[in-house]
Amino acid sequence: EIVLTQSPATLSLSPGESATLSCRASQNVGSKLAWYRQKPGQAPRLLIYDASNRATGIPARFSGSGSGTDFTLTISTLEPEDFAVYYCQQRSSWPLTFGGGTKVEIK
Amino acid sequence: EVQLVDSGGNLVQPGGSLRLSCAASGFTFSDYGMTWVRQAPGKGLEWVSFVSASGISTFYSDSVKGRFTISRDNSKNTLYLQMASLRAEDTALYYCAKNILHMNYFDSWGRGTLVTVSS
Repeated sequence: EIVLTQSPATLSLSPGESATLSCRASQNVGSKLAWYRQKPGQAPRLLIYDASNRATGIPARFSGSGSGTDFTLTISTLEPEDFAVYYCQQRSSWPLTFGGGTKVEIK
Repeated sequence: EVQLVDSGGNLVQPGGSLRLSCAASGFTFSDYGMTWVRQAPGKGLEWVSFVSASGISTFYSDSVKGRFTISRDNSKNTLYLQMASLRAEDTALYYCAKNILHMNYFDSWGRGTLVTVSS
């Protein structure tokens, strides 16, 4: 099973600042990694797929990069709705796995 | 507009069974793989099971393999998760999710249905 480790666990930032979230895979997943945002009380929403492709309707302030074992999600300018929990997920091999999440909270 | 309505969650005793359903609309259900993901209270996301568009191929997490069965009825646009031998650690909000075409990422999600396993 591929283990995804996200860091940091919590990120304390202010609206308007930029955020950099990390996801590290225990094995090479190529570019087969996605990012989701989950607001409190809501289902997750797909942000980025295959490492760097924005999903439909996702604003340009979200960008993804990386390949192999190290991936980054960058939010260029935090909006109020971006204070949430973010998860990475790999589709390189079964079982599919999610990272443990990074909470972006208001400083 | 894609809609996924999950249902069937309930309080069940350890060792019991339950069947979850997910009614889909707004897309050609038979073209897409479908997935169940769960989230224990206050915890992260855990992938549970996948079924291919045709229903022929299925995959399970090790934690539910042999106890849960995923299936679909393309004539009814409905996804199912039959859960048996339930344990306290199966307590979670269960989401059904639609896969992106030909990729195992999830671009639409239901609101979730709560399964509580407790005596």
